[in-house]
Amino acid sequence: EAQVTQNPRYLITVTGKKLTVTCSQNMNHEYMSWYRQDPGLGLRQIYYSMNVEVTDKGDVPEGYKVSRKEKRNFPLILESPSPNQTSLYFCASSLWGRETQYFGPGTRLLVL
Amino acid sequence: ELKVEQNPLFLSMQEGKNYTIYCNYSTTSDRLYWYRQDPGKSLESLFVLLSNGAVKQEGRLMASLDTKARLSTLHITAAVHDLSATYFCAVVRDDKIIFGKGTRLHILP
Repeated sequence: EAQVTQNPRYLITVTGKKLTVTCSQNMNHEYMSWYRQDPGLGLRQIYYSMNVEVTDKGDVPEGYKVSRKEKRNFPLILESPSPNQTSLYFCASSLWGRETQYFGPGTRLLVL
Repeated sequence: ELKVEQNPLFLSMQEGKNYTIYCNYSTTSDRLYWYRQDPGKSLESLFVLLSNGAVKQEGRLMASLDTKARLSTLHITAAVHDLSATYFCAVVRDDKIIFGKGTRLHILP
C-alpha cells in the first residue's frame, strides 16, 4: 500500500530534550516536506527536500533541522525543543515538487 | 512574499444549499491545490488546478481557477452532512508550498 508513515504519532517531552520525528514514504517520491499545523494558522511549511541531500527552508524553519540521506526518509529533528514548538506535525511527499502531496497521519507533539 | 487567503474561515450551512469558498493568492503561481481534512485526521487531496480557466469536479464539489485574478473557488452543490470538514487551498512558488488558513465547513442536517 502506497503510504507516508510518521513515528511517533504522539510525543510528550520537556524543554531542551532533543527529539526526532521520522517520516518514510514507499512511493519513490522525489519531493518531501514537513509542516506544522496550529489552530487558526493553517499549515506552515518547515522544510522541504527536492531529492537526496537537497533540503531547503520553508516558511518556519527556526528551531528545526532535517536531513535527506535516503530517498524514502526525511526525519525532522528538534535539537532543543521549546513550548512554542508544541503543534501537530505532518510529513508529506509527492512525485516532484508540483504534484499533489500525500500526507502522513501526523505527529502530535507537546513540549512542557 | 506569497500569501494565500481563504474566505470564509468558518461556514455553517444547511443540507441541500449551495455555497462557494474563495481562495486568493498574492503572486503568480502555476498551480493550485485543494485539500480536505476531517477532524483529527490527515489531509487528502481533492483537486490540482494547472492552468487558467481550469475546472474540475468530483461529486458535489467543483473547483475552478482564474490565474489572472489570482482566485480559485470551491463550489459545493446541494451540500450533504458528510462534506463537513476543513478545506484548504495551497499554491506553489519556487518549490515552496503555501497553505491558506482553511475553511471549516459545518453542514447541518
